[in-house]
Amino acid sequence: AQSVSQHNHHVILSEAASLELGCNYSYGGTVNLFWYVQYPGQHLQLLLKYFSGDPLVKGIKGFEAEFIKSKFSFNLRKPSVQWSDTAEYFCAVNSEAGNNRKLIWGLGTSLAVNP
Amino acid sequence: DGGITQSPKYLFRKEGQNVTLSCEQNLNHDAMYWYRQDPGQGLRLIYYSQIVNDFQKGDIAEGYSVSREKKESFPLTVTSAQKNPTAFYLCASSIGLAGDIQYFGAGTRLSVL
Repeated sequence: AQSVSQHNHHVILSEAASLELGCNYSYGGTVNLFWYVQYPGQHLQLLLKYFSGDPLVKGIKGFEAEFIKSKFSFNLRKPSVQWSDTAEYFCAVNSEAGNNRKLIWGLGTSLAVNP
Repeated sequence: DGGITQSPKYLFRKEGQNVTLSCEQNLNHDAMYWYRQDPGQGLRLIYYSQIVNDFQKGDIAEGYSVSREKKESFPLTVTSAQKNPTAFYLCASSIGLAGDIQYFGAGTRLSVL
């Protein structure tokens, strides 16, 4: 069965520190990859996505992610975090196989940024 | 103002009671979803619907039921058979089913009295 693994469950950083959140998936075929973010008290929303093309994708608020097919990874990065980045981050994968394609979600990473 | 509206924001259920969570979207999306979010467990899919009058079980459908009589509405009923209903419930929609961006509502927090 397909699965998505987020390596870090809780991350605590100081402002201006660099961030990298790991995401690995188990499906070997063509995939669509997503990072969603849930800020405190707000809707879950899309941060960035990869469908095809340049494996380095840029999202909102200075986030980027790199798709490395050989490693089945889609890690999220930000060079310098801010207090406002405190949120829960979810990686999700959608395979392009079968008729009932659903998003498979990671368990999430809770990020706390100290001012 | 387009989006997904979930109501109520907070809901309390008594033992043996069925409760219904509302989800309405005005995005003209075909697909709709219900997820359950528990701390440390990510999002788990309860039911999804690709089109009106059709829906499919997700990974944790037991104790839940849905209907999709209108494109814009996808209510979720938490039945008395669901023994651990306390959770945060999220409704989402997307243009189609495969690989599309999902848009989420603000959620309903259900607690048992």
